[in-house]
Amino acid sequence: QQPVQSPQAVILREGEDAVINCSSSKALYSVHWYRQKHGEAPVFLMILLKGGEQKGHEKISASFNEKKQQSSLYLTASQLSYSGTYFCGKDGGGGADGLTFGKGTHLIIQP
Amino acid sequence: DGGITQSPKYLFRKEGQNVTLSCEQNLNHDAMYWYRQDPGQGLRLIYYSQIVNDFQKGDIAEGYSVSREKKESFPLTVTSAQKNPTAFYLCGSGYSGNTIYFGEGSWLTVV
Repeated sequence: QQPVQSPQAVILREGEDAVINCSSSKALYSVHWYRQKHGEAPVFLMILLKGGEQKGHEKISASFNEKKQQSSLYLTASQLSYSGTYFCGKDGGGGADGLTFGKGTHLIIQP
Repeated sequence: DGGITQSPKYLFRKEGQNVTLSCEQNLNHDAMYWYRQDPGQGLRLIYYSQIVNDFQKGDIAEGYSVSREKKESFPLTVTSAQKNPTAFYLCGSGYSGNTIYFGEGSWLTVV
């Protein structure tokens, strides 16, 4: 079952912060975050494993709440290069059987 | 350089034709994947393969076929049975654990 992402779209000014949420009705084994620019391939950002850990990538970090079956991506002091569509992909724990992706969150950063 | 190569970048198909999209990787990854992307739908899994000579259907396998004769190669054939094939197709690969690295994608249009 497809994870649900919110919001669907965000428009920010450069330097502002954003939070993108990803939730699942079924158990999450891990959550993977990707960013995609228009017409390009999705680029892997980070993986969150069970345990509620938080990870960071430049000024982008994420958390994973196993109990709530949700993950959040935090973008602080956003830069123009952060524009794109962000996808979360959930791993149901079946080994290398692929990820189920959400529909994406469109992030637009304005100067 | 290591990476995932998809070809062609753009492909036009006539009604009733089969077409094959190529995917090659030199990252020594065991698992390979094919996803389809439509506007507003996120990425949907077509087929995946965890080892050579074995592959599994994903969520939307109808009208598609694959082969995995070599570790490096995972071609996708879009058959005439696929009634709405116009989409952006993404090939990916990875080790176990489901982190997927994607190629640049192929645009398929029915004319």
